[in-house]
Amino acid sequence: ETGVTQTPRHLVMGMTNKKSLKCEQHLGHNAMYWYKQSAKKPLELMFVYNFKEQTENNSVPSRFSPECPNSSHLFLHLHTLQPEDSALYLCASSQDQGNTEAFFGQGTRLTVV
Amino acid sequence: AQTVTQSQPEMSVQEAETVTLSCTYDTSESDYYLFWYKQPPSRQMILVIRQEAYKQQNATENRFSVNFQKAAKSFSLKISDSQLGDAAMYFCAYRSAGTSGSRLTFGEGTQLTVNP
Repeated sequence: ETGVTQTPRHLVMGMTNKKSLKCEQHLGHNAMYWYKQSAKKPLELMFVYNFKEQTENNSVPSRFSPECPNSSHLFLHLHTLQPEDSALYLCASSQDQGNTEAFFGQGTRLTVV
Repeated sequence: AQTVTQSQPEMSVQEAETVTLSCTYDTSESDYYLFWYKQPPSRQMILVIRQEAYKQQNATENRFSVNFQKAAKSFSLKISDSQLGDAAMYFCAYRSAGTSGSRLTFGEGTQLTVNP
């Protein structure tokens, strides 16, 4: 248990559905991240939030919409996804200094059908 | 932009033996941090070891140690006395220093199998 909790653990959705992924941390961290992990590819950073403000959007399609209402919660809203969006979505948090480790949740395994 | 390369998609080791996982990176920065993360089948990414680039001394954590060669931009992980529980995907990661909310850039990963 790393202190970062993601729900749901598994999600199957149709291409016309709208769903949301949730991430929660109570570690007192100021930065939160969404990563996408696809088979045979490195982890891809999607979004970075620092003190609730989005500081990085790594050219992510608009069908992925992040939301960070406070420093402890991070959402990823999904709509009209494509089958190639099927992947493991990992949330992480850290203090805002570079030398501190990032703590990861267990991920949401997303399948788009 | 920084890149991280792990050239060994898969490695295997006998229980109790030693194995070394390779990682190289490319950066123009002089101050940064390097990490090795482990991802077992449970999918939980767990920090194994970290290295500050300004430190010449190689980091060690029990059976895990690194060989950090800054000039060569190399950061290998050595696992001594391998245990069955060490079987996992291992990721090398890079992070800039002194930048708020800075990203971790990951390598492609190395799948480690430990044979009994």
